[in-house]
Amino acid sequence: EAGVAQSPRYKIIEKRQSVAFWCNPISGHATLYWYQQILGQGPKLLIQFQNNGVVDDSQLPKDRFSAERLKGVDSTLKIQPAKLEDSAVYLCASSPEGNTIYFGEGSWLTVV
Amino acid sequence: AQKVTQAQTEISVVEKEDVTLDCVYETRDTTYYLFWYKQPPSGELVFLIRRNSFDEQNEISGRYSWNFQKSTSSFNFTITASQVVDSAVYFCALSEAWGRRGKLIFGQGTELSVKP
Repeated sequence: EAGVAQSPRYKIIEKRQSVAFWCNPISGHATLYWYQQILGQGPKLLIQFQNNGVVDDSQLPKDRFSAERLKGVDSTLKIQPAKLEDSAVYLCASSPEGNTIYFGEGSWLTVV
Repeated sequence: AQKVTQAQTEISVVEKEDVTLDCVYETRDTTYYLFWYKQPPSGELVFLIRRNSFDEQNEISGRYSWNFQKSTSSFNFTITASQVVDSAVYFCALSEAWGRRGKLIFGQGTELSVKP
Protein backbone atom coordinates (compact mmCIF):
# COMPACT_ATOMS: atom_id res chain seq x y z
CA GLU A 1 0.00 0.00 0.00
CA ALA A 2 1.36 3.40 -0.98
CA GLY A 3 2.11 5.79 1.87
CA VAL A 4 1.43 9.48 2.23
CA ALA A 5 3.09 11.32 -0.65
CA GLN A 6 4.41 14.86 -0.34
CA SER A 7 6.14 17.27 -2.68
CA PRO A 8 8.43 19.03 -2.99
CA ARG A 9 10.77 17.40 -0.50
CA TYR A 10 12.98 20.45 -0.20
CA LYS A 11 12.41 24.14 -0.85
CA ILE A 12 14.52 27.23 -0.23
CA ILE A 13 12.87 30.61 -0.64
CA GLU A 14 13.54 34.19 0.37
CA LYS A 15 11.44 35.86 3.01
CA ARG A 16 8.27 37.44 1.72
CA GLN A 17 8.07 34.94 -1.15
CA SER A 18 5.35 32.33 -1.38
CA VAL A 19 5.51 28.54 -1.37
CA ALA A 20 3.05 25.69 -1.78
CA PHE A 21 3.25 22.10 -0.60
CA TRP A 22 1.19 19.24 -1.94
CA CYS A 23 0.01 16.08 -0.20
CA ASN A 24 -1.65 12.91 -1.43
CA PRO A 25 -2.93 10.84 1.50
CA ILE A 26 -3.23 7.08 1.73
CA SER A 27 -6.11 5.92 -0.43
CA GLY A 28 -9.39 5.82 1.46
CA HIS A 29 -8.23 7.87 4.43
CA ALA A 30 -10.88 10.46 5.21
CA THR A 31 -8.83 12.52 7.63
CA LEU A 32 -5.85 14.59 6.52
CA TYR A 33 -3.52 16.66 8.70
CA TRP A 34 -0.77 19.20 8.20
CA TYR A 35 1.80 19.44 10.96
CA GLN A 36 4.68 21.88 11.33
CA GLN A 37 7.90 20.60 12.89
CA ILE A 38 10.52 23.17 13.82
CA LEU A 39 14.03 21.82 14.29
CA GLY A 40 14.49 20.24 17.69
CA GLN A 41 10.77 20.19 18.51
CA GLY A 42 7.88 17.82 18.18
CA PRO A 43 5.37 18.34 15.37
CA LYS A 44 2.52 20.79 15.94
CA LEU A 45 -0.86 20.50 14.24
CA LEU A 46 -1.65 23.29 11.78
CA ILE A 47 -4.89 22.04 10.28
CA GLN A 48 -7.07 18.93 10.20
CA PHE A 49 -9.53 18.01 7.44
CA GLN A 50 -12.31 15.46 7.56
CA ASN A 51 -13.01 14.74 3.90
CA ASN A 52 -12.99 18.27 2.46
CA GLY A 53 -14.19 20.05 5.60
CA VAL A 54 -11.95 21.71 8.19
CA VAL A 55 -12.14 20.12 11.66
CA ASP A 56 -9.43 22.13 13.43
CA ASP A 57 -7.39 25.09 12.20
CA SER A 58 -6.95 26.80 15.55
CA GLN A 59 -3.15 26.86 15.30
CA LEU A 60 -2.93 27.89 11.65
CA PRO A 61 -1.53 31.44 11.24
CA LYS A 62 -4.31 32.49 8.93
CA ASP A 63 -2.75 35.79 7.97
CA ARG A 64 -0.12 33.93 5.96
CA PHE A 65 -1.02 30.24 5.84
CA SER A 66 -3.86 28.67 3.90
CA ALA A 67 -4.80 25.10 3.11
CA GLU A 68 -7.40 23.39 1.04
CA ARG A 69 -8.51 19.88 0.32
CA LEU A 70 -10.57 19.94 -2.81
CA LYS A 71 -12.65 16.83 -3.54
CA GLY A 72 -11.63 15.36 -0.19
CA VAL A 73 -8.42 13.75 -1.44
CA ASP A 74 -5.27 15.78 -2.20
CA SER A 75 -4.38 18.83 -0.19
CA THR A 76 -2.27 21.93 -0.66
CA LEU A 77 -0.69 24.06 2.05
CA LYS A 78 0.38 27.57 1.06
CA ILE A 79 2.48 30.16 2.84
CA GLN A 80 2.38 33.75 1.63
CA PRO A 81 4.38 35.78 2.50
CA ALA A 82 6.95 33.54 4.19
CA LYS A 83 8.87 34.62 7.28
CA LEU A 84 12.19 33.36 8.59
CA GLU A 85 10.42 31.59 11.47
CA ASP A 86 8.46 29.48 8.97
CA SER A 87 11.60 27.43 8.32
CA ALA A 88 10.51 23.94 9.33
CA VAL A 89 9.44 20.55 8.07
CA TYR A 90 5.82 20.42 6.97
CA LEU A 91 4.43 16.97 7.55
CA CYS A 92 1.28 15.72 5.95
CA ALA A 93 -0.52 12.79 7.57
CA SER A 94 -3.69 10.83 7.09
CA SER A 95 -5.81 8.40 9.02
CA PRO A 96 -8.78 6.13 8.44
CA GLU A 97 -11.48 5.82 11.07
CA GLY A 98 -9.68 5.31 14.35
CA ASN A 99 -6.77 7.11 15.89
CA THR A 100 -3.68 5.85 14.12
CA ILE A 101 -2.12 8.56 12.01
CA TYR A 102 0.34 7.83 9.21
CA PHE A 103 2.87 10.46 8.17
CA GLY A 104 4.63 11.34 4.94
CA GLU A 105 8.33 12.12 4.68
CA GLY A 106 7.72 15.83 4.95
CA SER A 107 8.56 18.93 2.97
CA TRP A 108 11.62 20.75 4.29
CA LEU A 109 11.34 24.54 4.00
CA THR A 110 14.20 26.97 4.49
CA VAL A 111 13.39 30.68 4.42
CA VAL A 112 16.45 32.93 3.95
CA ALA B 1 -4.46 21.20 29.07
CA GLN B 2 -2.82 18.24 27.45
CA LYS B 3 0.94 17.93 27.59
CA VAL B 4 3.60 15.34 26.84
CA THR B 5 7.04 15.51 28.42
CA GLN B 6 10.07 13.59 27.27
CA ALA B 7 12.72 14.64 29.73
CA GLN B 8 15.59 12.92 27.94
CA THR B 9 16.73 15.09 25.05
CA GLU B 10 19.56 12.81 23.93
CA ILE B 11 20.63 9.30 24.82
CA SER B 12 23.74 7.54 23.62
CA VAL B 13 24.29 3.82 24.07
CA VAL B 14 26.55 1.15 22.70
CA GLU B 15 25.08 -1.53 20.50
CA LYS B 16 23.43 -4.43 22.38
CA GLU B 17 22.70 -2.30 25.43
CA ASP B 18 19.09 -1.98 26.59
CA VAL B 19 17.68 1.55 26.64
CA THR B 20 14.47 3.05 28.04
CA LEU B 21 12.90 6.23 26.72
CA ASP B 22 10.69 8.01 29.22
CA CYS B 23 7.35 9.66 28.51
CA VAL B 24 5.08 11.43 30.98
CA TYR B 25 1.74 12.90 29.95
CA GLU B 26 -0.95 15.17 31.33
CA THR B 27 -4.61 15.12 30.39
CA ARG B 28 -7.97 15.66 32.01
CA ASP B 29 -9.67 13.23 29.66
CA THR B 30 -10.59 9.80 30.95
CA THR B 31 -10.39 8.37 27.46
CA TYR B 32 -7.31 9.04 25.40
CA TYR B 33 -4.68 7.38 23.23
CA LEU B 34 -0.91 7.25 23.56
CA PHE B 35 1.53 6.73 20.73
CA TRP B 36 5.19 6.27 19.98
CA TYR B 37 6.69 7.31 16.66
CA LYS B 38 10.21 6.89 15.29
CA GLN B 39 11.73 9.61 13.10
CA PRO B 40 14.86 8.53 11.21
CA PRO B 41 17.04 11.11 9.43
CA SER B 42 14.84 10.86 6.33
CA GLY B 43 12.18 12.74 8.28
CA GLU B 44 9.20 10.42 8.05
CA LEU B 45 7.42 9.68 11.29
CA VAL B 46 7.06 5.91 11.56
CA PHE B 47 4.20 4.63 13.69
CA LEU B 48 5.31 2.15 16.37
CA ILE B 49 2.42 1.67 18.76
CA ARG B 50 -0.96 2.97 19.88
CA ARG B 51 -2.36 2.31 23.34
CA ASN B 52 -5.77 3.41 24.65
CA SER B 53 -6.29 4.59 28.19
CA PHE B 54 -8.32 1.53 29.20
CA ASP B 55 -5.66 -0.94 28.28
CA GLU B 56 -2.79 -0.96 30.75
CA GLN B 57 -1.33 -4.23 29.59
CA ASN B 58 2.29 -3.95 28.68
CA GLU B 59 3.17 -4.83 25.12
CA ILE B 60 6.15 -6.49 23.53
CA SER B 61 6.98 -6.49 19.85
CA GLY B 62 10.30 -8.11 19.08
CA ARG B 63 13.00 -6.02 20.73
CA TYR B 64 10.51 -3.26 21.60
CA SER B 65 8.39 -3.14 24.72
CA TRP B 66 6.13 -0.55 26.25
CA ASN B 67 5.17 0.01 29.88
CA PHE B 68 1.95 1.99 30.44
CA GLN B 69 1.18 3.09 34.01
CA LYS B 70 -1.85 5.32 34.52
CA SER B 71 -0.98 5.80 38.20
CA THR B 72 2.16 7.71 37.23
CA SER B 73 0.89 8.97 33.83
CA SER B 74 3.80 7.35 32.11
CA PHE B 75 4.21 5.43 28.87
CA ASN B 76 7.82 4.33 28.65
CA PHE B 77 9.48 2.61 25.71
CA THR B 78 12.30 0.07 26.03
CA ILE B 79 14.54 -1.22 23.29
CA THR B 80 16.30 -4.44 24.18
CA ALA B 81 19.67 -5.27 22.64
CA SER B 82 19.81 -1.99 20.73
CA GLN B 83 21.14 -1.86 17.18
CA VAL B 84 22.67 0.91 15.10
CA VAL B 85 19.50 1.01 12.98
CA ASP B 86 17.57 2.08 16.07
CA SER B 87 19.33 5.45 15.93
CA ALA B 88 16.60 8.05 15.42
CA VAL B 89 14.48 10.59 17.22
CA TYR B 90 11.60 9.01 19.11
CA PHE B 91 8.42 10.89 19.88
CA CYS B 92 5.73 10.11 22.39
CA ALA B 93 2.31 11.57 21.61
CA LEU B 94 -1.16 11.87 23.13
CA SER B 95 -4.52 12.29 21.47
CA GLU B 96 -8.04 12.89 22.70
CA ALA B 97 -10.61 10.23 22.00
CA TRP B 98 -13.49 12.62 21.46
CA GLY B 99 -14.05 16.05 19.99
CA ARG B 100 -10.98 16.96 17.97
CA ARG B 101 -10.38 13.33 17.21
CA GLY B 102 -6.94 12.40 16.14
CA LYS B 103 -5.12 15.62 17.04
CA LEU B 104 -1.74 14.53 18.35
CA ILE B 105 0.12 16.38 21.07
CA PHE B 106 3.80 15.49 20.76
CA GLY B 107 6.62 15.56 23.25
CA GLN B 108 9.90 17.24 22.39
CA GLY B 109 11.44 13.97 21.27
CA THR B 110 14.41 11.91 22.45
CA GLU B 111 17.34 11.52 20.10
CA LEU B 112 18.77 8.04 20.45
CA SER B 113 22.25 7.33 19.17
CA VAL B 114 23.38 3.71 19.09
CA LYS B 115 27.09 3.34 18.50
CA PRO B 116 28.68 0.15 17.16
